[in-house]
Amino acid sequence: DAKTTQPTSMDCAEGRAANLPCNHSTISGNEYVYWYRQIHSQGPQYIIHGLKNNETNEMASLIITEDRKSSTLILPHATLRDTAVYYCIVRLLNSGNTPLVFGKGTRLSVIA
Amino acid sequence: ETGVTQSPTHLIKTRGQQVTLRCSSQSGHNTVSWYQQALGQGPQFIFQYYREEENGRGNFPPRFSGLQFPNYSSELNVNALELDDSALYLCASSPLAGVTGELFFGEGSRLTVL
Repeated sequence: DAKTTQPTSMDCAEGRAANLPCNHSTISGNEYVYWYRQIHSQGPQYIIHGLKNNETNEMASLIITEDRKSSTLILPHATLRDTAVYYCIVRLLNSGNTPLVFGKGTRLSVIA
Repeated sequence: ETGVTQSPTHLIKTRGQQVTLRCSSQSGHNTVSWYQQALGQGPQFIFQYYREEENGRGNFPPRFSGLQFPNYSSELNVNALELDDSALYLCASSPLAGVTGELFFGEGSRLTVL
């Protein structure tokens, strides 16, 4: 079973920041937080990951609380193309046998 | 750099038949994993192959089997198809111990069992 809980759906106005929350209260000390998204009819796409520090890349920012029990993915300026299901996953890094355990994710709708 | 490609993109089978799905991994990736995604659900891990050996398996029955070839491409075989096997089957490739742990997914093969 997935070790994360996410809201089922969210809306965001185009051009505004999309903030997607995730709870992972049972995360272990050596587990990372990963975010993937899945645009309709495509395979999941990696967005970002982090352990305990905040991370930023060209796609998004990841904010992890100090106790690591929750995190927020931020899309700073959402576009219509960001409409997708977003999955928050906890996983060991560099463990070749550890699969991704997906929950149902959050369906983000970006509205013009 | 060629990404992960899967074939066929869509297919229809009847209950009891067998199906083979194919996946070409991204260049330089030696690990391939397969996921099943039922409608409205997140992907579920089926199994993973590394250097032609299965090295991880999810909660799927033995009628789900696979192969990995020396060029790291892979096949997923499902025997005795059931209606509940209707799903999107996703292949993902990665280096076994990559720096980021990122998996690269193909666009999937959508199987319908009638």
